[in-house]
Amino acid sequence: QQQVKQSPQSLIVQKGGIPIINCAYENTAFDYFPWYQQFPGKGPALLIAIRPDVSEKKEGRFTISFNKSAKQFSLHIMDSQPGDSATYFCAARNNAGNMLTFGGGTRLMVKP
Amino acid sequence: NAGVMQNPRHLVRRRGQEARLRCSPMKGHSHVYWYRQLPEEGLKFMVYLQKENIIDESGMPKERFSAEFPKEGPSILRIQQVVRGDSAAYFCASSPPTSGRTNPEQYFGPGTRLTVT
Repeated sequence: QQQVKQSPQSLIVQKGGIPIINCAYENTAFDYFPWYQQFPGKGPALLIAIRPDVSEKKEGRFTISFNKSAKQFSLHIMDSQPGDSATYFCAARNNAGNMLTFGGGTRLMVKP
Repeated sequence: NAGVMQNPRHLVRRRGQEARLRCSPMKGHSHVYWYRQLPEEGLKFMVYLQKENIIDESGMPKERFSAEFPKEGPSILRIQQVVRGDSAAYFCASSPPTSGRTNPEQYFGPGTRLTVT
């Protein structure tokens, strides 16, 4: 019940395209859903996060859509650039604790 | 304001040796978390510590692994008698005290890549 399932595992888009990465969870006690971006050899960097009381959050070119009834959330990257090529992880946190449960990651490549 | 610092960045150990990984949290942060990332996988929670206290070690293997966060100095993740399966990237994250806010954000360090030969 602690799992977070992420898809797709890899994604290739052209520059300017809108990659969409999806995550699903089972544990209804999760109440905080961050997305992290990780470049090779680096640690994950917090990109954007959402709480289940809102259905959408935008920060720059990054948008999270959240569907509480379906227990799904997704990341959209508008006007994607080659510099966005990285691995993206969704995560979830239980309101009773501080540990993050991560999805398996999506390796995104944005072609010039 | 320096970010989370981890050292060493790369560590090579032979089977049976001990590995010590260090993490210095961001200034003002008193909570430290350790995660392990196997190749091509997501991060898996290991342990959550505050100064001189282990709060949650539910993700730690029962044997050979230990963690501490002393009153002074960095947090240490210690792996005794390493085996090849311990080869992974180990990430430390830190967060500020909760002080009324629930669940503050975690900021990750660059990781220590452990290779066991």
